[in-house]
Amino acid sequence: QSVLTQPPSVSGAPGQRVTISCTGSSSNIGAGYDVHWYQQLPGTAPKLLIYGNSNRPSGVPDRFSGSKSGTSASLAITGLQAEDEADYYCQSYDSSLSEIFGTGTKVTVL
Amino acid sequence: QVQLQESGPGLVKPSQTLSLTCTVSGGSISSGGYYWSWIRQHPGKGLEWIGYIYYSGSTYYNPSLKSRVTISVDTSKNQFSLKLSSVTAADTAVYYCARADGVDTAMYFDYWGQGTLVTVSS
Repeated sequence: QSVLTQPPSVSGAPGQRVTISCTGSSSNIGAGYDVHWYQQLPGTAPKLLIYGNSNRPSGVPDRFSGSKSGTSASLAITGLQAEDEADYYCQSYDSSLSEIFGTGTKVTVL
Repeated sequence: QVQLQESGPGLVKPSQTLSLTCTVSGGSISSGGYYWSWIRQHPGKGLEWIGYIYYSGSTYYNPSLKSRVTISVDTSKNQFSLKLSSVTAADTAVYYCARADGVDTAMYFDYWGQGTLVTVSS
């Protein structure tokens, strides 16, 4: 089954900007399917962060932004805060007729 | 505000069928417009989509699990359910129910239950 590849971890100091990549293939992101992003705080359910590549649901700070290009997508967090320490997952659709998730990235605030 | 709550046994024996129910409040499944989903997360691992169902009963399953999965809906109770047959230890995971919004191949999960841990063990 296809997967979306993310870096296992990224870190940054408070106030810095970090980016998380999500690399797919021609059967998912490269086929034009939208990418969505989730934040999972320790011990809690995932929370929708970005939908449709770059749209923020109501209540999500504008420090979070998403983009997509070719077979990859990215989530950027600007003005990193301690409360942003969490796992982040991308999600898209695959031509194998399946929703697929990324491998997940742990963000650490130094 | 839509809320989802999973319920069901936390322990299932190998080869048996895992059964979970998700109760939806704050919104009606039968009003349409959304798909109702099951997603799981193996301990310390990433997320895996299991499948989703529309209020009409139309279902879509993960091809890797399709032979063992049944998702059904009971609009009178505002609930939907998951059955996963012939379970093994590899099915031990936290199971989430979630609402899927969007269209066709651009679905995303905007509301989630808190999740329930199901352990497969004798």
